[in-house]
Amino acid sequence: SAVISQKPSRDICQRGTSLTIQCQVDSQVTMMFWYRQQPGQSLTLIATANQGSEATYESGFVIDKFPISRPNLTFSTLTVSNMSPEDSSIYLCSVEDLSGQGTTGELFFGEGSRLTVL
Amino acid sequence: DAKTTQPPSMDCAEGRAANLPCNHSTISGNEYVYWYRQIHSQGPQYIIHGLKNNETNEMASLIITEDRKSSTLILPHATLRDTAVYYCIAGGKAGGYQKVTFGIGTKLQVIP
Repeated sequence: SAVISQKPSRDICQRGTSLTIQCQVDSQVTMMFWYRQQPGQSLTLIATANQGSEATYESGFVIDKFPISRPNLTFSTLTVSNMSPEDSSIYLCSVEDLSGQGTTGELFFGEGSRLTVL
Repeated sequence: DAKTTQPPSMDCAEGRAANLPCNHSTISGNEYVYWYRQIHSQGPQYIIHGLKNNETNEMASLIITEDRKSSTLILPHATLRDTAVYYCIAGGKAGGYQKVTFGIGTKLQVIP
């Protein structure tokens, strides 16, 4: 199973600033996924990050607000730009299990980055 | 992904079996049923998945009806640590790109 580390685990940010969240995986993975979980809500997929190509964003999410980098097969970043209090959420990185025997399709998640925007 | 319907909350006595239902009446033939859980303040954790046969692992059992329109996740001996939100997802596919849509899930409270 994949081990996923996210940084920061939590942060308090000022309105109008930007914050970059890092996601490090202990194995090479093709697809990485970024989710948002607003307070008391379920998870919403922001975008899919594929190494070597532009991220694919879901409806309601745009690259200018949530730029994503995927420089290699073990790392990705998500930036939350020009933050407002409505961006206060937990942001989660996820990868699909790609064990040596072939994928089972299960997802592994980081512990999340809890952002509070004042 | 097929839409799923789960009860918003359930209680279970510690040590008893927790049976969490899920309806996925629009599931298509190549879509799997996946279960995840999210313990408070943690990232979701994969539990189990299946296509049409019942499955069991060290965490739980998954019972899928013959018509595949519903399933039940069974935690055989619930403990307090099983208190979490449980998500049933029908879609994606094992062996390929897994784009998952989460619903609201079932909040399971295990009671001492």
